[in-house]
Amino acid sequence: ETGVTQTPRHLVMGMTNKKSLKCEQHLGHNAMYWYKQSAKKPLELMFVYNFKEQTENNSVPSRFSPECPNSSHLFLHLHTLQPEDSALYLCASSQDMTSGSYEQFFGPGTRLTVL
Amino acid sequence: AQSVAQPEDQVNVAEGNPLTVKCTYSVSGNPYLFWYVQYPNRGLQFLLKYITGDNLVKGSYGFEAEFNKSQTSFHLKKPSALVSDSALYFCAVRVGVEVTGGGNKLTFGTGTQLKVEL
Repeated sequence: ETGVTQTPRHLVMGMTNKKSLKCEQHLGHNAMYWYKQSAKKPLELMFVYNFKEQTENNSVPSRFSPECPNSSHLFLHLHTLQPEDSALYLCASSQDMTSGSYEQFFGPGTRLTVL
Repeated sequence: AQSVAQPEDQVNVAEGNPLTVKCTYSVSGNPYLFWYVQYPNRGLQFLLKYITGDNLVKGSYGFEAEFNKSQTSFHLKKPSALVSDSALYFCAVRVGVEVTGGGNKLTFGTGTQLKVEL
């Protein structure tokens, strides 16, 4: 996960809280991603940004709201979450979206628990 | 629809023995294939990729993978396993077409837990 940082690493929140996850990449990449990782399930792509523009919203509920102010930073704003939203949220980056040959680099993730 | 299958939830191997972690895929057109590893409480780390060319791809930490188009497989291998290789391994395939906005969308398998024992 070198080069991609995520904060906080752990987050516990109630269903009525509002919180934000932060991701920062130091690799000079232009594409950034949010994934959800739940036990025994494949990684779920949530959002994709390319050159700060959102290019993918994979039918994610509106209680998750992404923000990409520049190519190095990505946020995931959370509000009125449900217990089933508890998971590991991973941020990733890649060179850009123009070639599928570019591998993605992942951050360490934020372990989210919704009570 | 594009998909990846990792048929084994867990693979156990003795240290020093060769290891194989299986992956099969289904995708329209030519696939781009990737292997990632995840250690506990960490994000995914890139191991290797197949884009085109030689069917045998070499990657980090002594891992390699063989692309087999006729069997639509991309199995991960290592000649001699180490205890430190114990981790969760993910195979992934690129979906979409090579145009802006769709070129780097990965579909992941469910992962295979590798356990290497002394």
